[in-house]
Amino acid sequence: SYVLTQPPSVSVAPGKTARITCGGIHTGSAHWYQQQPGQAPVVVIYDDSDRPSGIPERFSGSNSGNTATLTISRVEAGDEADYYCQVWDGFSDHGVFGGGTKLTVL
Amino acid sequence: EVQLLESGGGVVRPGGSLRLSCAASGFTFDDYGMSWVRQPPGKGLEWVSSINWNGDSTDYADSVKGRFTISRDNAKKSLYVQMRSLRAEDTAIYYCARGRIGRFDPWGQGTLVTVSA
Repeated sequence: SYVLTQPPSVSVAPGKTARITCGGIHTGSAHWYQQQPGQAPVVVIYDDSDRPSGIPERFSGSNSGNTATLTISRVEAGDEADYYCQVWDGFSDHGVFGGGTKLTVL
Repeated sequence: EVQLLESGGGVVRPGGSLRLSCAASGFTFDDYGMSWVRQPPGKGLEWVSSINWNGDSTDYADSVKGRFTISRDNAKKSLYVQMRSLRAEDTAIYYCARGRIGRFDPWGQGTLVTVSA
């Protein structure tokens, strides 16, 4: 089965750059969601590197080989949240989520 | 404004059934596939099921296949999931989301389903 692997946690100081990886991608484009406590997820990056309107330019994405990466530049306290990667497996026609990464701003 | 509003959650006994609904507004509903995603308390996101724009194609996670049925009524701009033979491990917040093969965007606020004796 299709498994996406994310680090459980990433810590970063304010103003620094956070990178969250999503390994195990072998088909499809990666999408990234931010989930604040008690709220529904919101997409911050789609199709590997596109950013929805309203999402700060500090959020960027890339996909190389089997790993997608969400990069958050100039991290702010408000970026503290859980982040999930997701792909659509076209072979099985299943959606797949990574286990999630808790971003802590020190 | 695009909005999705889930309803129908509640407490149900193991083996019981429940039907969730998702009312859509602010976009042309039948232009989009739709999906259900769930999140057990304190845990990560799990894709549950997706349906294409006209309901001809449906997909299910292995964990719910044969027990859950996704459907839609384009005239009512509504998405549904009929859940049967519910188990304790089905306890979760259930979100509906616009999208199927691509990204899920946006999401509703979710409805809590608790399976407990």
